[in-house]
Amino acid sequence: DTAVSQTPKYLVTQMGNDKSIKCEQNLGHDTMYWYKQDSKKFLKIMFSYNNKELIINETVPNRFSPKSPDKAHLNLHINSLELGDSAVYFCASSQTTGSNEQFFGPGTRLTVL
Amino acid sequence: SQKIEQNSEALNIQEGKTATLTCNYTNYSPAYLQWYRQDPGRGPVFLLLIRENEKEKRKERLKVTFDTTLKQSLFHITASQPADSATYLCAYRISSNTGKLIFGQGTTLQVKP
Repeated sequence: DTAVSQTPKYLVTQMGNDKSIKCEQNLGHDTMYWYKQDSKKFLKIMFSYNNKELIINETVPNRFSPKSPDKAHLNLHINSLELGDSAVYFCASSQTTGSNEQFFGPGTRLTVL
Repeated sequence: SQKIEQNSEALNIQEGKTATLTCNYTNYSPAYLQWYRQDPGRGPVFLLLIRENEKEKRKERLKVTFDTTLKQSLFHITASQPADSATYLCAYRISSNTGKLIFGQGTTLQVKP
């Protein structure tokens, strides 16, 4: 019954490694997002896709590359991980870009050692 | 740039009392303000939305106000319960073309029995 799911829940890795986080929504929504929540709890948008098309690309290092194979999936690949990438990453979805309510996944806690 | 400020200090109240959380925004005049609840280890969950032409919105024990002159929204929980303990995030959408939300850092509410 999960609406927005992410895997893995926890990710611990060494600096310099490459890792991916996967997200899937079964709500039939057109729009998906990636957010980063830092240690101070600020939730900041990173990327947004609408029907597999990139529509938001905030000032994020190009080591971060989102991919949307279909509108139900939005994955995040991170190259050459750095200590500062440690955070909780949330995937979210909304019916459309004009919808007010966003549905969030459970988050992926990334720790870079 | 657009900014939302919430009281970063935790709010501790006694069960049964009314909790009041504050959200102030600058450099933008949002048409809507949203409130989300976030429990530890989970993603935010949408609670309420209030439009700029609505002074007050209620949902069960929740009440939200929106003062466009003061650039402020207040979030009230009446007859608070320990189960209301969580972090509450205020947000507004700055673009209906992209769905981009700007979040405050949240206020943590602790309701003591």
